[in-house]
Amino acid sequence: EAGVVQSPRYKIIEKKQPVAFWCNPISGHNTLYWYRQNLGQGPELLIRYENEEAVDDSQLPKDRFSAERLKGVDSTLKIQPAELGDSAVYLCASSREGRPSTDTQYFGPGTRLTVL
Amino acid sequence: KQEVTQIPAALSVPEGENLVLNCSFTDSAIYNLQWFRQDPGKGLTSLLLIQSSQREQTSGRLNASLDKSSGRSTLYIAASQPGDSATYLCAASNDYKLSFGAGTTVTVRA
Repeated sequence: EAGVVQSPRYKIIEKKQPVAFWCNPISGHNTLYWYRQNLGQGPELLIRYENEEAVDDSQLPKDRFSAERLKGVDSTLKIQPAELGDSAVYLCASSREGRPSTDTQYFGPGTRLTVL
Repeated sequence: KQEVTQIPAALSVPEGENLVLNCSFTDSAIYNLQWFRQDPGKGLTSLLLIQSSQREQTSGRLNASLDKSSGRSTLYIAASQPGDSATYLCAASNDYKLSFGAGTTVTVRA
């Protein structure tokens, strides 16, 4: 079974430029998550999708961040314009949408973003 | 808001020694407590998931305990090996939301 795929793995951009990250979850996983992990910290949830619906985007900075999950499979996370403080690793995870007590999330390798 | 703390932030042990990693959380109304491993430049790998009704889970040399009433979980790794060197993160689940600690970075010296 293929794991969660993310691209690109690394991205370096100038501040104020746009950037986009792509995620392909494990086949059959209905729930998709985007996290941001700052250096030396644990991941923090940005948005959670159930199929194509964003069911929790309370932590997504909506002035500059946007996300979509067309057809309930792949997902794209976009930042426009990027700021210096956006430098972090952006992780995508997926799960089968089982019961909350047993739902295991599977993580991709992440995209390391550096904003200069 | 769930707050998760992991102490110590870093740990170095000689090969063969048993590892004890601590995790504490503030909101005991959790669905489960999960332990992950993260290698440099890579994503997270799930190690163990303890449901709120359970006291412990075991997988090979790994054993994790959960005490909801005191808001604590402990990960034990028996007979550590250099390949166990990584950052270990715990996460408390409230509904589908995982709240992570900052992790404990473990170095096992050969």
